[in-house]
Amino acid sequence: DVKVTQSSRYLVKRTGEKVFLECVQDMDHENMFWYRQDPGLGLRLIYFSYDVKMKEKGDIPEGYSVSREKKERFSLILESASTNQTSMYLCASSTMDVIGQFFGPGTRLTVL
Amino acid sequence: AQSVTQPDIHITVSEGASLELRCNYSYGATPYLFWYVQSPGQGLQLLLKYFSGDTLVQGIKGFEAEFKRSQSSFNLRKPSVHWSDAAEYFCAVVHPNAGGTSYGKLTFGQGTILTVHP
Repeated sequence: DVKVTQSSRYLVKRTGEKVFLECVQDMDHENMFWYRQDPGLGLRLIYFSYDVKMKEKGDIPEGYSVSREKKERFSLILESASTNQTSMYLCASSTMDVIGQFFGPGTRLTVL
Repeated sequence: AQSVTQPDIHITVSEGASLELRCNYSYGATPYLFWYVQSPGQGLQLLLKYFSGDTLVQGIKGFEAEFKRSQSSFNLRKPSVHWSDAAEYFCAVVHPNAGGTSYGKLTFGQGTILTVHP
């Protein structure tokens, strides 16, 4: 069974902290994605990666960075967390032939 | 700009009633189309997808969707709703000719929350 896992379901951090959100997929997918989900706004793409060490900005990259050192792992980094980054963060992966993305369970991040 | 619109933020139906969730897209060409469902506290699960061919697509959990090119719509339907269908539903698209590094990049609608009354 295909699987995308995220390191934490719930996370509470303080303003200014550096935050790491980890995502691992076991499907050997080329593409990996990070979204944030906010009520009434749907899912908005932060960054995506189509290969190891490759990344591209999505629609809302400001305040975030990413790292993909291995094919199965894609990390989202908040360099200095702010309260407006309180949100649900979803990771997804897909193959290159667009059969649909597989999503992890999400990490609900609260920044105080 | 390319966009996906789900006009209904919240829909309430009675158990056993039929359901239709609306999705409209604005693209230069017919995109690939998807419907996802998100149960409370969970990630997104793919219900069905349309790439080409028959415009009526069957998915999991008894859902179907119909692609209408003339209306730029991809509405999700279910003939009889169950209480377990209460969730948030997202329509999403990807441009079929995106190519290169944009391949596979989904654009989501705002979501429709479905409440089911007993």
